[in-house]
Amino acid sequence: GNSVTQMEGPVTLSEEAFLTINCTYTATGYPSLFWYVQYPGEGLQLLLKATKADDKGSNKGFEATYRKETTSFHLEKGSVQVSDSAVYFCALSGGAGNQFYFGTGTSLTVIP
Amino acid sequence: NAGVMQNPRHLVRRRGQEARLRCSPMKGHSHVYWYRQLPEEGLKFMVYLQKENIIDESGMPKERFSAEFPKEGPSILRIQQVVRGDSAAYFCASSRNRDGEDKYFGPGTRLLVL
Repeated sequence: GNSVTQMEGPVTLSEEAFLTINCTYTATGYPSLFWYVQYPGEGLQLLLKATKADDKGSNKGFEATYRKETTSFHLEKGSVQVSDSAVYFCALSGGAGNQFYFGTGTSLTVIP
Repeated sequence: NAGVMQNPRHLVRRRGQEARLRCSPMKGHSHVYWYRQLPEEGLKFMVYLQKENIIDESGMPKERFSAEFPKEGPSILRIQQVVRGDSAAYFCASSRNRDGEDKYFGPGTRLLVL
């Protein structure tokens, strides 16, 4: 079946620190992979995605590379800002309607 | 182009009452997905609908929950005889295409059952 395992939080970093949030997946077929961000009280916003092996998704300084050999899609950012404080969800698409399978989310707090 | 709209944003119900959650997809989108987010957890797929049809309801509880997406009007997620365990955030997403990868999420409805 399809599932996503995501690094547990919460994660607290100082501003300008390097961020890695680990994500591994199990899937049948060749899913697309996504990172979504959720700010307090809001819905999910697409951060980046990758549709095939070795693709790199990037947006707003965040990056993630689709690694088929390790079934991973780790999120990285070289220098985090206070405004990056949010919950980050890794997801893959699959099933009859390409519904998403989400990880449990990782809460990130960036302190000045 | 307005995004995905959900209402109400917050809903309080007592045990045994009914909850109706509405989702208006983005203009031009005919595919709707409902997800539930329990406290401290990720989103779990509930149901996928296309206009007037339920395509996949594999994530829906077998009892008390139903969903529809009529030809006209918003998609409705209906929970009958709510229990405390139904307290959660319910998110709707819509997409234009069958492959569903261009999903846009609404702001969610936060249901609290007293």
